[in-house]
Amino acid sequence: AQKVTQAQTEISVVEKEDVTLDCVYETRDTTYYLFWYKQPPSGELVFLIRRNSFDEQNEISGRYSWNFQKSTSSFNFTITASQVVDSAVYFCALSDFFNFGNEKLTFGTGTRLTIIP
Amino acid sequence: NAGVTQTPKFQVLKTGQSMTLQCAQDMNHEYMSWYRQDPGMGLRLIHYSVGAGITDQGEVPNGYNVSRSTTEDFPLRLLSAAPSQTSVYFCASSYSGATEEQYFGPGTRLTVT
Repeated sequence: AQKVTQAQTEISVVEKEDVTLDCVYETRDTTYYLFWYKQPPSGELVFLIRRNSFDEQNEISGRYSWNFQKSTSSFNFTITASQVVDSAVYFCALSDFFNFGNEKLTFGTGTRLTIIP
Repeated sequence: NAGVTQTPKFQVLKTGQSMTLQCAQDMNHEYMSWYRQDPGMGLRLIHYSVGAGITDQGEVPNGYNVSRSTTEDFPLRLLSAAPSQTSVYFCASSYSGATEEQYFGPGTRLTVT
């Protein structure tokens, strides 16, 4: 069974600080996909990134970066020079190919990030 | 394109009442799913569908029914609402499966009294 753990329930940082959101996953498959979604206070869910298990390269998109480490089953998300607009709940999610054709997406419980001006 | 639409946005039910949450997408996506979001629980999968006529259970299916008669629509039915079903419900879709980016609807906030 697949499982995603986001141990940080809430994080608060002062604007312009860097912050890392942790995500640890469990799966018995060798082929899987990892995701991050953002849920701002308005409530919608916004896709941020998708990563497959064969690509361990770190990715950077502007102030956002992701560190994927299979050895520790982690897919951490770092925001550099945080801004108030980054305040949101962030979800990590996992989908594997264990049951191909009937894949399921499993979400972590989310981390609420508050950026203090 | 409207993307994924959900109706209603808000709903209050009394215990024992039934209702249907509507979900539609205009992107010709094969995969559709329903999640519920509760405080501290993240999003939990209720039911999903890999195409018209095919549905399957997710993590928390009890108390909910679904059907998929067309590619566009994936309604979620509460047969006899219970207070434990008070939640925010999200519908999502993707081209072919859960390993792709999911497009989410705006959500339906349901309160059962």
